[in-house]
Amino acid sequence: GQNIDQPTEMTATEGAIVQINCTYQTSGFNGLFWYQQHAGEAPTFLSYNVLDGLEEKGRFSSFLSRSKGYSYLLLKELQMKDSASYLCAVTSDYKLSFGAGTTVTVRA
Amino acid sequence: DAGITQSPRHKVTETGTPVTLRCHQTENHRYMYWYRQDPGHGLRLIHYSYGVKDTDKGEVSDGYSVSRSKTEDFLLTLESATSSQTSVYFCAISESPGQPPEANVLTFGAGSRLTVL
Repeated sequence: GQNIDQPTEMTATEGAIVQINCTYQTSGFNGLFWYQQHAGEAPTFLSYNVLDGLEEKGRFSSFLSRSKGYSYLLLKELQMKDSASYLCAVTSDYKLSFGAGTTVTVRA
Repeated sequence: DAGITQSPRHKVTETGTPVTLRCHQTENHRYMYWYRQDPGHGLRLIHYSYGVKDTDKGEVSDGYSVSRSKTEDFLLTLESATSSQTSVYFCAISESPGQPPEANVLTFGAGSRLTVL
């Protein structure tokens, strides 16, 4: 199985930057995904990393180090609408397993 | 938006009763999944399907069964509901769990909130 760890909660100020770390232990790694989930809604796809390095998509970036079993999601220029839960997920043997999620609260 | 709908969206039932949740997709995706989401546990895979009549267990399959008689429909059944099965259930679809990575992306339904009294 997978062991995926991420912080439970983070708080940041509007306009600031927040980094959500995710560590994992798995066999047969295929890729790492980030999903966003607003309260009471379904998760939606944000980004994925298959190879080491940084992937940038607008205000969001995701980094992966396969040798360290480590990823982070970077949210820049935070907006109030970014208040949500962020789920780290790892594909291993082509099955997706999720971490418990990090709830980010953006304050004005 | 991807065509994936879940029904019912909310259900309250009593311990010991059978419950069936339905997931319907119009994307013709091969892979369909049922997850449950509980506070502190995140999303946990119950069962998944990789084609008509082809299903397999996930990490929390005890007490659940599934069926897929058509590409578009994936049913989750609780034969005898228990209070521990009170949860939010999400159905998801993907093109393929293999390559390219884009094909691994899951699209989720809106969720079904089940309360077992």
